[in-house]
Amino acid sequence: GQNIDQPTEMTATEGAIVQINCTYQTSGFNGLFWYQQHAGEAPTFLSYNVLDGLEEKGRFSSFLSRSKGYSYLLLKELQMKDSASYLCAVRLNQAGTALIFGKGTTLSVSS
Amino acid sequence: GAVVSQHPSWVICKSGTSVKIECRSLDFQATTMFWYRQFPKQSLMLMATSNEGSKATYEQGVEKDKFLINHASLTLSTLTVTSAHPEDSSFYICSASFLAGDSGEQFFGPGTRLTVL
Repeated sequence: GQNIDQPTEMTATEGAIVQINCTYQTSGFNGLFWYQQHAGEAPTFLSYNVLDGLEEKGRFSSFLSRSKGYSYLLLKELQMKDSASYLCAVRLNQAGTALIFGKGTTLSVSS
Repeated sequence: GAVVSQHPSWVICKSGTSVKIECRSLDFQATTMFWYRQFPKQSLMLMATSNEGSKATYEQGVEKDKFLINHASLTLSTLTVTSAHPEDSSFYICSASFLAGDSGEQFFGPGTRLTVL
């Protein structure tokens, strides 16, 4: 079967930096995605990694190590609005195919 | 980014009735659409993959006769929950994909919350 693990919950304070880890063991790999989901809403795309290394996008960065089956999402200068669930998802096959999601990490940002 | 809409955004129905949910890609042609289900505090679970003009591919454990998927055009897919029961109450989310470079990013609709009484 497919296995994607993330911490269930994390807390942090405004202005801080938080790292959300994701490990995966899947039958195939063709990219790892991070999505943000606020309660009752659909996920919104944050980042995509298919090669090893760090991808930076403003306050958000994502890292991938394919040999370790490991990724992390780094959020800098946290804001209250960053309180949400963060979903790690792996695409098993070629572009345009389905994603397998982890259970998500609920991040709570306090002042 | 690309926009995907879903209709209705929420629906309440009686047990035994059927409910149809529409998923539309508004500004692009989607080669593939996906249907997910999300229970409270759970992650998204893929139900089926839908390609225009062909039969949907269902994930293991998803009843194809209960969850009917029709993908009539490159911009519209529908999910019909037939003879709905309270255990079908969930958040149903569709996504659409087109081959945008190497990413093949999926764009998600806003979701439909189904409550079966």
